[in-house]
Amino acid sequence: QVQLVQSGAEMKKPGASVKVSCQASGYTFNGYYIHWVRQAPGQGLEWMGRINPNSGGANYAQKFQGRITVTRDTSIRTVYMDLSSLRPDDTAIYYCARVEAVGSFDFWGRGTLVTVSS
Amino acid sequence: SYVVTQSPSMSLAPGQTAKISCGGNNIGSKTVNWYQQRPGQAPVLVVYDDADRPSGIPDRFSGSNSGNTATLTIGRVEAGDEADYYCQVWESGRDHPVIFGGGTKLTVL
Repeated sequence: QVQLVQSGAEMKKPGASVKVSCQASGYTFNGYYIHWVRQAPGQGLEWMGRINPNSGGANYAQKFQGRITVTRDTSIRTVYMDLSSLRPDDTAIYYCARVEAVGSFDFWGRGTLVTVSS
Repeated sequence: SYVVTQSPSMSLAPGQTAKISCGGNNIGSKTVNWYQQRPGQAPVLVVYDDADRPSGIPDRFSGSNSGNTATLTIGRVEAGDEADYYCQVWESGRDHPVIFGGGTKLTVL
């Protein structure tokens, strides 16, 4: 069955970076984009970026340009989301989700809580 | 960039029909997907391509999309349907291609 397994919760200080992983299984890894979506406490869903696992090409929401990098390691079917220069308002649950081309987000990871606090 | 608007909340008694709307300029020309997010859980796809249901989603969930409004309809609402519901569209050719609505909190009284 399709699974997206995310890394565990992180606690970071302002200015630091965080790297969250998302390991895929149960489907053809190269066949689906992996997207990152975050949700601040009590807030809605916010799209951050995506990667094409086949080519490694990524694009990002303008809001995060310069702070976010999404990469993948096809040998272990894992996608990484790196967010730098963390601020307290980056405190959120970060989800990975798969999408076939420009379809729907049909499977989601369970989320990774990132807390940014001094 | 493109904006989609959802009412923040609605409350219904069990057995009633919920109609959750997602408004946007000529949204009928776009494909809309809907997600259910129960408290403390990841979102789950409940309707895709305006009106299709993934396997395992009850047929009480249905969708429509025309003009400036897309609608998620939940028939015979149950306590387990209490959740936040988000609509989502694509805006092709943009740096921010994925747009989520702000979400509608459905409370089952």
